[in-house]
Amino acid sequence: EPEVTQTPSHQVTQMGQEVILRCVPISNHLYFYWYRQILGQKVEFLVSFYNNEISEKSEIFDDQFSVERPDGSNFTLKIRSTKLEDSAMYFCASSHPGQGGTGELFFGEGSRLTVL
Amino acid sequence: KQEVTQIPAALSVPEGENLVLNCSFTDSAIYNLQWFRQDPGKGLTSLLLIQSSQREQTSGRLNASLDKSSGRSTLYIAASQPGDSATYLCAVYSSNTGKLIFGQGTTLQVKP
Repeated sequence: EPEVTQTPSHQVTQMGQEVILRCVPISNHLYFYWYRQILGQKVEFLVSFYNNEISEKSEIFDDQFSVERPDGSNFTLKIRSTKLEDSAMYFCASSHPGQGGTGELFFGEGSRLTVL
Repeated sequence: KQEVTQIPAALSVPEGENLVLNCSFTDSAIYNLQWFRQDPGKGLTSLLLIQSSQREQTSGRLNASLDKSSGRSTLYIAASQPGDSATYLCAVYSSNTGKLIFGQGTTLQVKP
């Protein structure tokens, strides 16, 4: 069964360092997303991406964050200068449009980011 | 602003019981509602998707219902097993915001 894959599974970084989280969405999907979950809190939306541009972003997704689809398969989240509060599990998701609006979102296993 | 609430926050039942998890949302303008399962430290596994025009979906021992007008969904698990122990998340795809909004989850423990 096709799945969303994410790397790395866990990354430890020093505050102020740049981090890139990578995702390979399901191949025929057209919508791509990043969500994050701080330990013990809700899963929260960061950004959605369609047709090579951001379609929605949350207030969390400030200038420190950027997303890119550098080739036909990868979807990346870059955090330019990490802060302690960026420590979280980051989930990538993808979906096919589906009928009547949106299709089912499929999530990866997540990348745990620890900022020291 | 869409808010999603799940009750109860935690539930412990003996093996074999049927159980119901509840989800409510404040804005009925949704495209669909998804139920997910999350094991500790793991990703989100999609269990069921209900489109806004549908009333329920079934997959094996799971049945999810949707009452859009009252802003409620339930996830019914029949004949629970210890392997069902996990956190169950409800999420609505809000048509006003174009994003999937999650509840805080119900953590289920099924005791052998």
